[in-house]
Amino acid sequence: DAGVIQSPRHEVTEMGQEVTLRCKPISGHNSLFWYRQTMMRGLELLIYFNNNVPIDDSGMPEDRFSAKMPNASFSTLKIQPSEPRDSAVYFCASISTGGTEAFFGQGTRLTVV
Amino acid sequence: AQSVSQHNHHVILSEAASLELGCNYSYGGTVNLFWYVQYPGQHLQLLLKYFSGDPLVKGIKGFEAEFIKSKFSFNLRKPSVQWSDTAEYFCAVNTNAGKSTFGDGTTLTVKP
Repeated sequence: DAGVIQSPRHEVTEMGQEVTLRCKPISGHNSLFWYRQTMMRGLELLIYFNNNVPIDDSGMPEDRFSAKMPNASFSTLKIQPSEPRDSAVYFCASISTGGTEAFFGQGTRLTVV
Repeated sequence: AQSVSQHNHHVILSEAASLELGCNYSYGGTVNLFWYVQYPGQHLQLLLKYFSGDPLVKGIKGFEAEFIKSKFSFNLRKPSVQWSDTAEYFCAVNTNAGKSTFGDGTTLTVKP
């Protein structure tokens, strides 16, 4: 298995533009998590899905952020409109049934200018 | 709601010094416990994990952690650190509800 795959690896966009981050979890994993990591706030859980259903989105900072998981093999995190303070590394992680270890993707480094 | 607390935000040690990073969690049910490491510029990787059995868990690169249920703790230890251990370390808790909660992380800087 190739592990958790995120795309793009880097994204630079202008303030106000829509940004879509993508994640492909490990096949067979039924939980998917989106995290944001910054120097100031550390690692923050934004939202997590269980069996494609959003379970807890209390970490989503604002209505500008939305996440979907249309099927077991794909999830998106969208920011519309983007702002400079959204600049961060966004990680996706998946966990198999039974709560074993989380496997992280390489992350998407987002820079909003 | 479950939470994870890492007591030290930044630890600075000299090579060969011993390391102990604190981690406490709050959750009344069954948990699985993890330590992850993030080297500079890289993504998180699993260091070690505890599910059940022997509360002293040995991981990669000489790290170990001890689960003390009565204290809700899962501290990470290494007898002698190396410069290459410079990284950020995260403690995490998974519950049977499927939720994974991470601590704020501890940055370890090892001086050569």
